[in-house]
Amino acid sequence: DAGVIQSPRHEVTEMGQEVTLRCKPISGHNSLFWYRQTMMRGLELLIYFNNNVPIDDSGMPEDRFSAKMPNASFSTLKIQPSEPRDSAVYFCASSFEGMDTGELFFGEGSRLTVL
Amino acid sequence: RKEVEQDPGPFNVPEGATVAFNCTYSNSASQSFFWYRQDCRKEPKLLMSVYSSGNEDGRFTAQLNRASQYISLLIRDSKLSDSATYLCVVNPDSWGKLQFGAGTQVVVTP
Repeated sequence: DAGVIQSPRHEVTEMGQEVTLRCKPISGHNSLFWYRQTMMRGLELLIYFNNNVPIDDSGMPEDRFSAKMPNASFSTLKIQPSEPRDSAVYFCASSFEGMDTGELFFGEGSRLTVL
Repeated sequence: RKEVEQDPGPFNVPEGATVAFNCTYSNSASQSFFWYRQDCRKEPKLLMSVYSSGNEDGRFTAQLNRASQYISLLIRDSKLSDSATYLCVVNPDSWGKLQFGAGTQVVVTP
């Protein structure tokens, strides 16, 4: 079975440019999470969707960040305009709410570098 | 104060030895606990859940101490392939708000 699929795997862009990260969760999962990981701050939850509805976006850093989930099989995280401090690895994860195992399935991540 | 705190390490462990490390959490009402493993430049993956009575999975043993608000992970007979960062994860109350520690790096040496 395919796992969580993220694209692009790597992106290098210049400050001020728009960045769009994409995620396809595991089929059948009803919860989707966007995380950001840096050396300084570790893994931070940005936003969480359940059944395509944003439940908690309190982790989104500021208005430059937005996330959408138009259907159960696709989500985007957009940064506009990007800044050098946005450089990080962005992970998408999915799960089925109600699972007792507490397992989140992560994608391989999108490594973003903003120059 | 961070909600989940871990010693970043690295813990340098000879192959075959035992290593143990803890994680403390601040919310006494936390419901469930997990250890995830993250290899260098890879995504985190669930290693094991942590139950109140303690639990083992092969060479890995996890313990929970609610009174002192910490969980621990012990790795016996360390293998080179155990080299990774181990992330402590706490579920305080709501499924969507899993809290990740910054990780403890373990380096197993020949």
